[in-house]
Amino acid sequence: AQSVAQPEDQVNVAEGNPLTVKCTYSVSGNPYLFWYVQYPNRGLQFLLKYITGDNLVKGSYGFEAEFNKSQTSFHLKKPSALVSDSALYFCAVRPTSGGSYIPTFGRGTSLIVHP
Amino acid sequence: DTAVSQTPKYLVTQMGNDKSIKCEQNLGHDTMYWYKQDSKKFLKIMFSYNNKELIINETVPNRFSPKSPDKAHLNLHINSLELGDSAVYFCASSPLRRGYEQYFGPGTRLTVT
Repeated sequence: AQSVAQPEDQVNVAEGNPLTVKCTYSVSGNPYLFWYVQYPNRGLQFLLKYITGDNLVKGSYGFEAEFNKSQTSFHLKKPSALVSDSALYFCAVRPTSGGSYIPTFGRGTSLIVHP
Repeated sequence: DTAVSQTPKYLVTQMGNDKSIKCEQNLGHDTMYWYKQDSKKFLKIMFSYNNKELIINETVPNRFSPKSPDKAHLNLHINSLELGDSAVYFCASSPLRRGYEQYFGPGTRLTVT
């Protein structure tokens, strides 16, 4: 069975500082990995994904994520946080084959960026 | 144009009633989903549907049922509503191929009194 862990319920960072939101996964075989963001009273929006190739993927709003196969991690990063980045972030995984094609989501991490 | 739309945005109803939430996507995707987000913001998959199969999360009560009149629509019917059904329900769509991301609707906040 596939699973995703987001070990931090909340991450606090000062505006202008770098941010990291952690995600580890478990899946049979190779993964497809996704990050989504949810602003208050909105649906989830896709940020970025890892399919294959370069381990560092870049996405919307200046976010990037690094795929680390040995550590089964896919941490979300941004070099300089903005107050407007404050939101709920979800990591999700799908196996590239076998298992369920339905993605498994983590429990979400609330990012709070302080002015 | 809105990619995935849901109606209504808010739904307040009494216990025991039957209600429906509509979802439409104009992305040409062949797979649609329903999720429930509880008060702690946890996302739970309820259903996944494409033209080949319906996958039901076994924990979902059979009071909930998806209905797909065509490829662009997946409506959610709920019978005999209970207080615990209060949540935000999200519709989503994606191509069936696994490397593609999902597109989510804006959500329907259901309150059962």
